[in-house]
Amino acid sequence: DGGITQSPKYLFRKEGQNVTLSCEQNLNHDAMYWYRQDPGQGLRLIYYSQIVNDFQKGDIAEGYSVSREKKESFPLTVTSAQKNPTAFYLCASSIQGKQYFGPGTRLTVT
Amino acid sequence: GENVEQHPSTLSVQEGDSAVIKCTYSDSASNYFPWYKQELGKGPQLIIDIRSNVGEKKDQRIAVTLNKTAKHFSLHITETQPEDSAVYFCADFMEYGNKLVFGAGTILRVKS
Repeated sequence: DGGITQSPKYLFRKEGQNVTLSCEQNLNHDAMYWYRQDPGQGLRLIYYSQIVNDFQKGDIAEGYSVSREKKESFPLTVTSAQKNPTAFYLCASSIQGKQYFGPGTRLTVT
Repeated sequence: GENVEQHPSTLSVQEGDSAVIKCTYSDSASNYFPWYKQELGKGPQLIIDIRSNVGEKKDQRIAVTLNKTAKHFSLHITETQPEDSAVYFCADFMEYGNKLVFGAGTILRVKS
């Protein structure tokens, strides 16, 4: 998992609550990414950031928000506006196109 | 936008046989193609990659080939072992946006 940590590994929340997923990297990478993965599915890009204090929407940004105040950290907030938040969330960082993934956080909302 | 098609979606092989997974892409400007292996409940792991200035790259039992004219690249695993069983994703690097476009994934099962 190469210097990228995500916490917690499992997260449970009640419907209607916002929840923030943590992602930290010590690889000194400028770019960071958040993906969502549903069972048996591929990777869908939620948000990405190429530099501190800047980020862009990916393909499925609705119901999510991010911040990038430090190079090492790129937290993702799953808001109550996200209709189907239960999923496996993956964070990645990259250099020269090579992306390295964290271990993921499995979020369950009931 | 850019699209990456990956085939097959599932692949079962006998231990010791070879496995081949193929991806096609649409953007002729693409120049970097990584492959990832994802084991159950874990994050994807970069296993091999290739840049557009070479046609083939090998690392022990795995190799990747690239045909820029036909816009496809393939992952080859030889002498497969049960621990090769996983989901494999190909990807195509979009320099504009500095992001990867992923294929849908291939479930590889190696039967012992």
